[in-house]
Formats: sequence, C-alpha cells, structure tokens
Amino acid sequence: GQQVMQIPQYQHVQEGEDFTTYCNSSTTLSNIQWYKQRPGGHPVFLIQLVKSGEVKKQKRLTFQFGEAKKNSSLHITATQTTDVGTYFCAEEYGNKLVFGAGTILRVKS
Amino acid sequence: SQTIHQWPATLVQPVGSPLSLECTVEGTSNPNLYWYRQAAGRGLQLLFYSVGIGQISSEVPQNLSASRPQDRQFILSSKKLLLSDSGFYLCAWSVDLGELFFGEGSRLTVL
Repeated sequence: GQQVMQIPQYQHVQEGEDFTTYCNSSTTLSNIQWYKQRPGGHPVFLIQLVKSGEVKKQKRLTFQFGEAKKNSSLHITATQTTDVGTYFCAEEYGNKLVFGAGTILRVKS
Repeated sequence: SQTIHQWPATLVQPVGSPLSLECTVEGTSNPNLYWYRQAAGRGLQLLFYSVGIGQISSEVPQNLSASRPQDRQFILSSKKLLLSDSGFYLCAWSVDLGELFFGEGSRLTVL
C-alpha cells in the first residue's frame, strides 16, 4: 500500500547541532502530517502541511512541503535534550493515516 | 474537551491466551477510530480502522480482530495470542482524517 519513505532511520547528534528528517513519496500527497513520540510515550501531533511549497515554523522546528507535494522535511535548529524521540511523517490514504518508519533522534549533552 | 482512554496500560499474557484491549473516546461524536501496533524500536503499523459503529476495516491478515459496539468504543481482541503479537498497541481517533489523537498505549508481552 501507499507509504512514505522516511530517512534517516536513526540520528545521534551533539546538543546544539541541527537535525533534519526527510519523507519522500512516489506520488503526489494531498497533505502530510508530522508527529513526535517521546521514549515510552505515544505519538503527538506536531503539524499538518497542505499547500505546495509550504513552510511552517514552531520555535526551533521548521517544516517544509515540497513544491511537487511529494516530499517533506522537519528541521530542528540547535537541538536540545528535550528533542529526543522518534519523529514520524504520515500521509492520508483513503480513510486512514499511514506512517513513515520514523527517525529516532538521540541528543548527547 | 475530548479525551481518549485506553486500557490496560500493560499486560503479560501466555501464548494461546485471549486478549481484549479497550479504548473509549469522550467529548466527540462519530469519530474515526484506529488501532496501531508498534514493535520495539519500529514504526506504527495500522491494524484496524472504523468510520462508524459496526464498520471495521482490517489492514493486515492476523489473528487479531476489532469491534466497535458503540460509537466511541473500540475493542481489539484475540482468541489465542502468539509470541509475535507482543508490542505496543495504540488506539487513536480523528475527525475526518485531521489530526490523530492517540491514547497512552497498551504494552503487551506474550510469553
């Protein structure tokens, strides 16, 4: 079935470094959502992108939706230990939301 | 405000035993309901979803089943658990496929 490909699978950064995770689809997406899951917790919605080329910011987080609506990225500037967790993108497919495999972020202090 | 409750939070079950996980949503009507499973360190696999009472769509063949006896109640069941059923089970709800709201999850260990 439909699925976005998410990379990297895992990233370990030094506190203060930047971090980016990418989602790519072979087909045009109607929209894309991003979620964060803290270790041991449940996924929490971060944002939804709908428009081609859309860029949204939440403090140190920047979300982008590609011009062709086939890819998206989440960029964290100057990571902090509170950023640790798994970041998922998700796409609509019929009546359901299909998640990417996620990127696990670890931050060394 | 809307809330989602999922229980039990953790359980350890022997192989071959039955399973019942329950999820209820409060504060909204006719939500879309979902069951996801997450293996350790892995992504979210959609198991079942429901757009209304008695309407269940299954995503993957398995020995699990789901039911929606009431508008805001979603139950995940198994008659006989397998070792491979171990994982973190997450219930979620949404309205018209907007943002998904997840429950706290149920961590199942099958021994």
